[in-house]
Amino acid sequence: GEDVEQSLFLSVREGDSSVINCTYTDSSSTYLYWYKQEPGAGLQLLTYIFSNMDMKQDQRLTVLLNKKDKHLSLRIADTQTGDSAIYFCAGEDSSYKLIFGSGTRLLVRP
Amino acid sequence: NAGVTQTPKFRVLKTGQSMTLLCAQDMNHEYMYWYRQDPGMGLRLIHYSVGEGTTAKGEVPDGYNVSRLKKQNFLLGLESAAPSQTSVYFCASSYDGTGNTEAFFGQGTRLTVV
Repeated sequence: GEDVEQSLFLSVREGDSSVINCTYTDSSSTYLYWYKQEPGAGLQLLTYIFSNMDMKQDQRLTVLLNKKDKHLSLRIADTQTGDSAIYFCAGEDSSYKLIFGSGTRLLVRP
Repeated sequence: NAGVTQTPKFRVLKTGQSMTLLCAQDMNHEYMYWYRQDPGMGLRLIHYSVGEGTTAKGEVPDGYNVSRLKKQNFLLGLESAAPSQTSVYFCASSYDGTGNTEAFFGQGTRLTVV
């Protein structure tokens, strides 16, 4: 079945760029997602990319998809302290069930 | 549009007690999920359902049971709570049958078993 993996922790300085990486095993995903979880809250959709795209830009967010290597990344430009959160990538298996990674905790230092 | 609603938001149980967590969604989603989230462990799937009347085991199903008698509700039961079940529980729903698989999450239930 689908397996989605992420690194657990990333620390950056305010104003720098953050890059959060994710690898997945099942290539049947039509969409790949990034979710954000702020402290004490549930996950909320941050952005997504359609599987036939290799890049999507949305304001400070850039999603890169390398289908050959099954690698997804989320770049946050000009990272702010409000971006401190846990970021989850997610893909679908062949029956549309979502599979989440373990989450990457992003800490933004002033 | 309420999205996904979990009740209760907080609960303290004594070891051996039972309880049911309720998840309700109003988006006509086919799939519903129960996760637990522990520090440093990310999200772990407990059980899920791909439609009314169906349930399936996830990654960590032991000690939990679920039911999906109505499409909009997914119940998670703890028959005999243990301290190891202290966690934050999240319900989610997804897939409206048209190919849209975006998931929506509830706000979580913080459960402490003493």
